[in-house]
Amino acid sequence: DGGITQSPKYLFRKEGQNVTLSCEQNLNHDAMYWYRQDPGQGLRLIYYSQIVNDFQKGDIAEGYSVSREKKESFPLTVTSAQKNPTAFYLCASSIEDRVNQPQHFGDGTRLSIL
Amino acid sequence: KNEVEQSPQNLTAQEGEFITINCSYSVGISALHWLQQHPGGGIVSLFMLSSGKKKHGRLIATINIQEKHSSLHITASHPRDSAVYICAGTNTGNQFYFGTGTSLTVIP
Repeated sequence: DGGITQSPKYLFRKEGQNVTLSCEQNLNHDAMYWYRQDPGQGLRLIYYSQIVNDFQKGDIAEGYSVSREKKESFPLTVTSAQKNPTAFYLCASSIEDRVNQPQHFGDGTRLSIL
Repeated sequence: KNEVEQSPQNLTAQEGEFITINCSYSVGISALHWLQQHPGGGIVSLFMLSSGKKKHGRLIATINIQEKHSSLHITASHPRDSAVYICAGTNTGNQFYFGTGTSLTVIP
């Protein structure tokens, strides 16, 4: 079945360490997105990519980096510069740019600091 | 103030009850989305609408563009409907505004 796969489901990071969250989709979608969800807050956009080898910063990109070398893959790296990384991270994709297109979401990765 | 406001924040209902979740927005949008987030965290897109009403099974979504208001209704609610329901709006400026969600618990 087509869908979005995020891994791992749970991830622990030590202080000062970079970690990478994986997001893979087999829906042949052009656009992919990373969101952060904190308790009591709506989803916030970190980065998005509308096409391979291109991506744009969202509302809270500081401390994060992404790459889009393949259409199917959009990994997110949480760098040591992100001082408050503990959150639930959701990856999504859509056929094209998100306006007026439904988004398909992964099951998320929960990141915690050790 | 959030551009998208949902009410109520938390809702508990008895199985079989008719449920309404409300969403008001203060920005111009071209489409309104209703999402369902399961206890494990995964999100499913339920509806995307820009006018009128859509129905899927026991779920109905309506939108009033003039009043900047949308509602999600669940008829004959069931414990498996227990989830967080999120309202979100998109506009032609490529902005996506999320509400903070309504946590629904349906008791058998």
